[in-house]
Formats: sequence, structure tokens, C-alpha cells
Amino acid sequence: AQKITQTQPGMFVQEKEAVTLDCTYDTSDQSYGLFWYKQPSSGEMIFLIYQGSYDEQNATEGRYSLNFQKARKSANLVISASQLGDSAMYFCAMRGPDSNYQLIWGAGTKLIIKP
Amino acid sequence: EAQVTQNPRYLITVTGKKLTVTCSQNMNHEYMSWYRQDPGLGLRQIYYSMNVEVTDKGDVPEGYKVSRKEKRNFPLILESPSPNQTSLYFCASSLGHGGGYTGELFFGEGSRLTVL
Repeated sequence: AQKITQTQPGMFVQEKEAVTLDCTYDTSDQSYGLFWYKQPSSGEMIFLIYQGSYDEQNATEGRYSLNFQKARKSANLVISASQLGDSAMYFCAMRGPDSNYQLIWGAGTKLIIKP
Repeated sequence: EAQVTQNPRYLITVTGKKLTVTCSQNMNHEYMSWYRQDPGLGLRQIYYSMNVEVTDKGDVPEGYKVSRKEKRNFPLILESPSPNQTSLYFCASSLGHGGGYTGELFFGEGSRLTVL
């Protein structure tokens, strides 16, 4: 069965520093998608970045990049030059045939950026 | 603008009074889904739909109904709401066949429901 593990319940990071949020996954699928979502205190779910299992290059979206290490089943989110507005919950998720294409969620990491 | 629209965004109701939370997407997505989010429990899937007239139960379907008569709409129906259905609800959609069902989910803004 598919599983997502986020080992960091919470993190404090100084503003302007880079931050890495960890995510490991377990699946027997060959074709799957990996995602990161941000949920600020206002509650909405904001899509950040997507990595397909067959994508050879790491995904990047502005200050967000996904460090995809397929052999290690790792999909860490890297935020460069953190900002106060980055303070939020961050969820890693995946979907593929093994879960009947339903999203499997990690427990989330609460990121707090210190001024 | 591509979006998923949920209504109402906020609702306070009383036990037993039927209500419907609407969800509409304008991206021609085949796949749609409903989640609830509760403190400490993360997001849990209620129902999902792989295409029109195709729906299936998620992890917590009890007390909820859905229908998918048109591609763009996926309403969530609470026939007889109870206080344990007080939660933050999200509707989401994604490509289906065209994206291999592995593409990103686009979320609505959430509906905060309180049942007294």
C-alpha cells in the first residue's frame, strides 16, 4: 500500500534562509505523481509543485523546487530565500494506481519563519 | 480563470436540517473529490468521482451523499447533519484520462461547516 511520511512535525527557520521539508514515500507503482501543498492559517489548500515519476528533471516553480530522488523514494521540498508569508502547514502527497489514484497525504509539517 | 468554486464558504446549521455544499469546476476535469479536514486528523476523503455518473466511497463516507450528473458539478449532500460533521470541507478536481489520473488536484477554497 502507498504511504507518505513527513518526519518533521514542525520547523522554525530564520527569514531569508533556505528550508528543506522532508517527504519519503512508499509505492509499488511505476507511474505516480508527487505533490506539495501549502495550507496557510486562513485554511485554503494551495498547490505548490508537482513531480511525475517519469520526469527526469527536478520540478521547479519560482522559489520552490522538488528534490526528487527516485531510488531513495524521496521528494523533499526546498524553499529558497524564505519569507514570512511562507509560514504555513505543508503537505506532501502522492497518487497512483496502487491507491486507485486517490491522493495519499502525509501528516504535514508546520513551518514557522522567524523575522 | 481556472478554478474550483465551493458554496457556501461558511455555514452554521442545526442537527437534522438537510444541506448541500455545491462544487463546480471550469477546467473540464474528469476527476472530482470531497475531503474533510479536522484538527489532528489531516485530510480525509469522503467521496470521489472518476467521471460523470461514476462515484465511489472514500475513507469517511458515512452521513454523506454525492452525485455526478454533469462533468463540472459534484455536490456534497448531508441528509441529516450531526455535530460530528462539523468540519472544514474541500472539493478538488483533476484531469482524469488525459492526465492518467496522476496529475495535481485543484482545490476549492473550503467550506467551513458548523452543526449545532
